[in-house]
Parts: sequence; structure tokens; C-alpha cells
Amino acid sequence: SQQGEEDPQALSIQEGENATMNCSYKTSINNLQWYRQNSGRGLVHLILIRSNEREKHSGRLRVTLDTSKKSSSLLITASRAADTASYFCATAGTASKLTFGTGTRLQVTL
Amino acid sequence: DARVTQTPRHKVTEMGQEVTMRCQPILGHNTVFWYRQTMMQGLELLAYFRNRAPLDDSGMPKDRFSAEMPDATLATLKIQPSEPRDSAVYFCASGSNYRGRDTGELFFGEGSRLTVL
Repeated sequence: SQQGEEDPQALSIQEGENATMNCSYKTSINNLQWYRQNSGRGLVHLILIRSNEREKHSGRLRVTLDTSKKSSSLLITASRAADTASYFCATAGTASKLTFGTGTRLQVTL
Repeated sequence: DARVTQTPRHKVTEMGQEVTMRCQPILGHNTVFWYRQTMMQGLELLAYFRNRAPLDDSGMPKDRFSAEMPDATLATLKIQPSEPRDSAVYFCASGSNYRGRDTGELFFGEGSRLTVL
């Protein structure tokens, strides 16, 4: 069963716009991670945020974490066609288990 | 360029046949995860290992699935007998986890796409 639920399920934007994806989870976590998956490929790690952190940046990526609401958001600024992919959040608890959410399919058009 | 290697990349088999998928984790990583991905269920955690010991395989159908790590360079996932509902992409991922700390970044293989007819 999934720990996280992403919202929206699908998102279509134009190149240059910002894309925001949200993730909600159910149980307490030690960290939350975001991954990207291109069609037919494996997942690639993007960014990790620990439970005691509220915001983290990496290049055009900005992740926020609100543990009181059990939610996280991923913002991709100035999107490019190459950002087209599925994006997953994943939560890590104390048992070393990493559980993935349902994913958001992002389409960036020229 | 270190990467997780999975074989086979594609497998088509008939119902009832045995299927074995193999994974070579990144050298030095001590955790290995097996996930199954389908359109309906998304990414499901089947089993994971730390230092070659199985930590949790509760996500795996025990009657037909088995996962092992015969050595630090090889993880296997076996299905016997296979059924059409096992059709999915199976991913192996490896990472580092020391002294029971929470799991950090995982590195994924390209997956094994299984079709059971």
C-alpha cells in the first residue's frame, strides 16, 4: 500500500512556467524524498528533506515539508520540455523502509 | 560510472514457468530493495535487505515469490510458478544505510519488464 498520495495526478504546463506537485503521507517519517521517472526508465533521486527541515533547494527545485500537516510540495521553476516525466514522493521511517506515493505525471509543452 | 544493473530487461514467459530476475547493486551499498510497478498499483515494495539480511518481505506473495542475496554483488527475485497477474516492471534499487539510520538516496536499475501469458 502507498504511504503517499500525490496531487495532482497529471499536470500539463508550458515551457517556462512553474510546476507544483504536492504529496501527503500518513505516518511519521524521518525523511521525505522526491524522485523522477522518465518513460520506460528507472527512478532517479532528486532531493531529500529531513523531518527537522522545512525547506530545501537544489537548482530549479524547491521542496517544502510540513510535518504537522504530513505534506510536502515540489516546485520546479522555469520548466523545460526535458522536465516531462513522472514525479514521486517517497517517505522513509524508522524501519529503513522507503515507500512511494502514486506519482504526478508532468507534461511540459513547447 | 556506478549503476545498478538488472537482468533480464525484458522477459516474456508462459503461466506456470519459473522466472528469475537478477540485480547487481552498486559496490559498497549495503541496502537492496525490490519494487514492482504496475499502472493499477503503482510502486509496491516487495522486499528489502540490509547487509544481505532480509529486513522485510511482507509485501511479497510468499507462496510464489522469493528474494535472496547470495552475496553482496547479487540479489535475486524468483517467481515460481508465474501467473499473468505478475506481469509488471520489477525494479531493484540499492543505497547506503549505516547503524540503522533512516534510508537515504536510492539508486534504481532500469527494471525488468515481465509479461506472463
